Amino acid sequence: AQSVSQHNHHVILSEAASLELGCNYSYGGTVNLFWYVQYPGQHLQLLLKYFSGDPLVKGIKGFEAEFIKSKFSFNLRKPSVQWSDTAEYFCAVNLFSGGYNKLIFGAGTRLAVHP
Amino acid sequence: KAGVTQTPRYLIKTRGQQVTLSCSPISGHRSVSWYQQTPGQGLQFLFEYFSETQRNKGNFPGRFSGRQFSNSRSEMNVSTLELGDSALYLCASSRAASRNNEQFFGPGTRLTVL
Repeated sequence: AQSVSQHNHHVILSEAASLELGCNYSYGGTVNLFWYVQYPGQHLQLLLKYFSGDPLVKGIKGFEAEFIKSKFSFNLRKPSVQWSDTAEYFCAVNLFSGGYNKLIFGAGTRLAVHP
Repeated sequence: KAGVTQTPRYLIKTRGQQVTLSCSPISGHRSVSWYQQTPGQGLQFLFEYFSETQRNKGNFPGRFSGRQFSNSRSEMNVSTLELGDSALYLCASSRAASRNNEQFFGPGTRLTVL
């Protein structure tokens, strides 16, 4: 069955530290990849997406992610985190097959950034 | 442009009751998907509707059902509620049921089953 794995469930960083959140998926076909963020008390928002083309994609708020097809990975990075990045981050894969969309989410990573 | 709206935002029910949740997609969006979010299981896909047709369904029992209206608004229904149905139910809309479409999420309806 298709699945998405996020390696870290909880991450604690100090402001200005660099961030990398791992994401691997298991699906041999063509996929669209997403990172969503859920700030405390807010709804899911799209950080960035990969459909095709340049495997290094840039999103909002200084986030970027790199799609490595050979490793089935789509890791999220940010060079310098801020306190306001405290949130839960979800990696998701869209399996588009047979004419329908189906987002499969990873378990999420809770990031806490200390000032 | 208004985002995805969901009503009600909070709901408390007792076991055995049924509940109907509503979702209004972004104007012009024709695909609506529903997800269940729980601390234990995370975000799980329930079903997707496009042009009033259910196109895909996740691994949930038949107590979970939905429908979509001609104006793309969608409802989901859960019958014979169980304690384990307590969750945040999220609705997401996208422009079309095609590959290169991102889904926009609503704030969710938090259902508590007592």
